[in-house]
Amino acid sequence: DTGVSQNPRHKITKRGQNVTFRCDPISEHNRLYWYRQTLGQGPEFLTYFQNEAQLEKSRLLSDRFSAERPKGSFSTLEIQRTEQGDSAMYLCASSLRRVGAPMGTEAFFGQGTRLTVV
Amino acid sequence: AQKITQTQPGMFVQEKEAVTLDCTYDTSDQSYGLFWYKQPSSGEMIFLIYQGSYDEQNATEGRYSLNFQKARKSANLVISASQLGDSAMYFCAMREGVGYSSASKIIFGSGTRLSIRP
Repeated sequence: DTGVSQNPRHKITKRGQNVTFRCDPISEHNRLYWYRQTLGQGPEFLTYFQNEAQLEKSRLLSDRFSAERPKGSFSTLEIQRTEQGDSAMYLCASSLRRVGAPMGTEAFFGQGTRLTVV
Repeated sequence: AQKITQTQPGMFVQEKEAVTLDCTYDTSDQSYGLFWYKQPSSGEMIFLIYQGSYDEQNATEGRYSLNFQKARKSANLVISASQLGDSAMYFCAMREGVGYSSASKIIFGSGTRLSIRP
């Protein structure tokens, strides 16, 4: 399977616990995005990377959220001290940005990790 | 600031009819890209079509076409000959600054739920 892979697919955790999600982008894709989606809403931007550099982080993201992309390959998203409001689908996407390529390339999404905080 | 507006929360269309899903956007950038994604009930985000701000012709991909009106800042998706399998959520999205070195996220609208009647 050469698509974007996210693990785990589902996570149920107790309030106050820490959780970590993993995203493996499409091989050679240098941009990686994290989004959060609640039922009936569009994906909400969290953060994104170009290679290993985190280029932007949403102001909506509290200090409890952190993301890394060591070596510009896979990425992890950690939520510390989870709250019930963190319950959502967390989506990862990747895209390829090439010098000289036509403007804009689409982002390919993984299946998401559904987080339920009880 | 970037903003995507989809004013149709839901639409019902008879099978085989054409349907137009509305999308307006706001940006101060001259270079940007517009995307449409489909999200079936299974949850995966499927890329449909892309339009660059400098593209002179409207994008087409099979039964999908993008009615791009730059002066009006609208990028409506047209689906011809709708099929039952087209029933899904549809999201319009935008990325500013499409050059390689630009740092810009992809933002999404709130979506339109399309239901195709047999």
